[in-house]
Amino acid sequence: ETGVTQTPRHLVMGMTNKKSLKCEQHLGHNAMYWYKQSAKKPLELMFVYSLEERVENNSVPSRFSPECPNSSHLFLHLHTLQPEDSALYLCASSQEGAAKETQYFGPGTRLLVL
Amino acid sequence: GNSVTQMEGPVTLSEEAFLTINCTYTATGYPSLFWYVQYPGEGLQLLLKATKADDKGSNKGFEATYRKETTSFHLEKGSVQVSDSAVYFCALTYTSGTYKYIFGTGTRLKVLA
Repeated sequence: ETGVTQTPRHLVMGMTNKKSLKCEQHLGHNAMYWYKQSAKKPLELMFVYSLEERVENNSVPSRFSPECPNSSHLFLHLHTLQPEDSALYLCASSQEGAAKETQYFGPGTRLLVL
Repeated sequence: GNSVTQMEGPVTLSEEAFLTINCTYTATGYPSLFWYVQYPGEGLQLLLKATKADDKGSNKGFEATYRKETTSFHLEKGSVQVSDSAVYFCALTYTSGTYKYIFGTGTRLKVLA
């Protein structure tokens, strides 16, 4: 596999379920990101990990819990979500040597909360 | 604060038409500017970028010039193809303690044969 992969690609869950989204990057990068993409809204940056440490947490509700066990893997654990959390969740990675590096995105997980 | 504003879509064009998608930004300091493209069912991928004033980014026939005086980074292509149908995102990056990326809302382009 090359680039950034995400699983599952589609997920339907009830409000009481617990599920996890997985992201894996095969680019040797040292920073990873979770974004939320909703219709007609700018991409919302949720979390940033640099060198496996969380460096950004943009006021995301605690029902979203990220985990970065190593520089290649990133998880987003979900529990007791709300219908308004339905969206496309995108993972990205970059090499943070300079502050303006290109981000590489995965295809996203389309989440529907019933 | 820092922000990106791009024209609302959808934009519908006939094949071989000229394309312009407007993007303006507000930023302190000297951001880098990007255009990303998202094809159906896929994630975003970098289309082109410019890192300083008057730089021109180009790729696959698309161009955009970093205009500091008008704080703009408009995307242009001389002759669009059906395969260019996608959503286009303007974005900027800057540093403020940590690395920051700000994206516009996206402009959907539909090219008709």
